[in-house]
Amino acid sequence: DAGVIQSPRHEVTEMGQEVTLRCKPISGHDYLFWYRQTMMRGLELLIYFNNNVPIDDSGMPEDRFSAKMPNASFSTLKIQPSEPRDSAVYFCASSFGGAGNEQFFGPGTRLTVL
Amino acid sequence: QKEVEQNSGPLSVPEGAIASLNCTYSDRGSQSFFWYRQYSGKSPELIMSIYSNGDKEDGRFTAQLNKASQYVSLLIRDSQPSDSATYLCAVNIEGGYQKVTFGTGTKLQVIP
Repeated sequence: DAGVIQSPRHEVTEMGQEVTLRCKPISGHDYLFWYRQTMMRGLELLIYFNNNVPIDDSGMPEDRFSAKMPNASFSTLKIQPSEPRDSAVYFCASSFGGAGNEQFFGPGTRLTVL
Repeated sequence: QKEVEQNSGPLSVPEGAIASLNCTYSDRGSQSFFWYRQYSGKSPELIMSIYSNGDKEDGRFTAQLNKASQYVSLLIRDSQPSDSATYLCAVNIEGGYQKVTFGTGTKLQVIP
């Protein structure tokens, strides 16, 4: 079975541009999580969804960040406008609530904002 | 006080030795505990989960949980150079069973 799929794997953009990160969770998983990882702050939860509904977005740093999950197999994390301090690795993870809360991570998107 | 605390390391052990990684957490109500391994430039990979007090063994890995002391550890027996990675402890702290908080990780170096 395919794992969590993320695209793009690398993104380099200039300050002020819009950035969209994409995620396809593992088929059958009903929870989806977006994390950000930096050297300074480690792995931080930004937002998570259950059955496509946002449950907790308290980790979203600013209004510049938004996330959607239009269906069970696709989610996006958008940053508009992007800033250099948004440079980080963004991970998507998914889990199946009926089998505990073990999360499986995608390969991540390395974002660089110049 | 951080919610999930780990020593950042690096923890250096010789090949074949036992590596012991430790994690403390702040919420007495936590119910689920995980260890993830992350190689440099890669994503976290789940290696152990534990939900009740005591030990849980899986191959060379043993997770130990002590809820009274709010302490969870990971032992790696017969350490191999391929075990060199950062090990992240994750605990469900608040906001629901599915939400977990990660520690900042302990870097393990296994010396051949």
